Amino acid sequence: DIQLTQSPSFVSASVGDRVTLTCRASQAINSYLAWYQQKPGKAPRLLIYAASTLQSGVPSRFSGTGSGAEFTLTISSLQPEDSATYYCQQLYRYLPYTFGQGTKLEI
Amino acid sequence: QVQLVQSGAEVKKPGASVRVSCKASGFRFSGFIHWVRQAPGQGLEWMGWVSPNNGGTYYEQKFQGRVAMTRDTSITTAYMELSGLRADDTAVYYCAREFWDAAVAPYGYALDVWGQGTTVTVSS
Repeated sequence: DIQLTQSPSFVSASVGDRVTLTCRASQAINSYLAWYQQKPGKAPRLLIYAASTLQSGVPSRFSGTGSGAEFTLTISSLQPEDSATYYCQQLYRYLPYTFGQGTKLEI
Repeated sequence: QVQLVQSGAEVKKPGASVRVSCKASGFRFSGFIHWVRQAPGQGLEWMGWVSPNNGGTYYEQKFQGRVAMTRDTSITTAYMELSGLRADDTAVYYCAREFWDAAVAPYGYALDVWGQGTTVTVSS
């Protein structure tokens, strides 16, 4: 199975800061990567797919980059509502669609 | 309104089975439906998918032999049944729709619509 490792596990930042979260795959997955945001007690919300495509309705301060085995999610100007846990997921076809272990972002 | 609505919370004893349902509405019931679980205080764990088109399935190896994902197209509902329950199966179980964006083919897959989650508690 493909393993995803997210870093850091926890980050604390302030409103207006720029923050970058990283997701590394144990093997190359091209751009088969999505990012999700999850708030306590809620289902995950899709933010980014195909590594860099912004899901409809997601604020433009969220962006994704990367290809192969290293990916990043950047939030350009943090807002209070961005406090959440962020997960990456690989969707390389017909393999288990594993998630990273998550990065908790505290504002 | 595009949505997935799951069945209510369950409390089961060790060794029992549980079946969680996921009712789809507002969209064509054709793409894969995935199941993901989350133990208390833990991350997301992908379990597998079922194809509403032909009933095909793909399971994470960890769950093979204990899980069955099925669907009833007549009522646009997917099901996840987990047997041989253990205490460490206590979790919130989510269903999610697989989304496909041809504009970024072949990479445009993701889970874009999620159910509200079903809490399954395994306790003696």
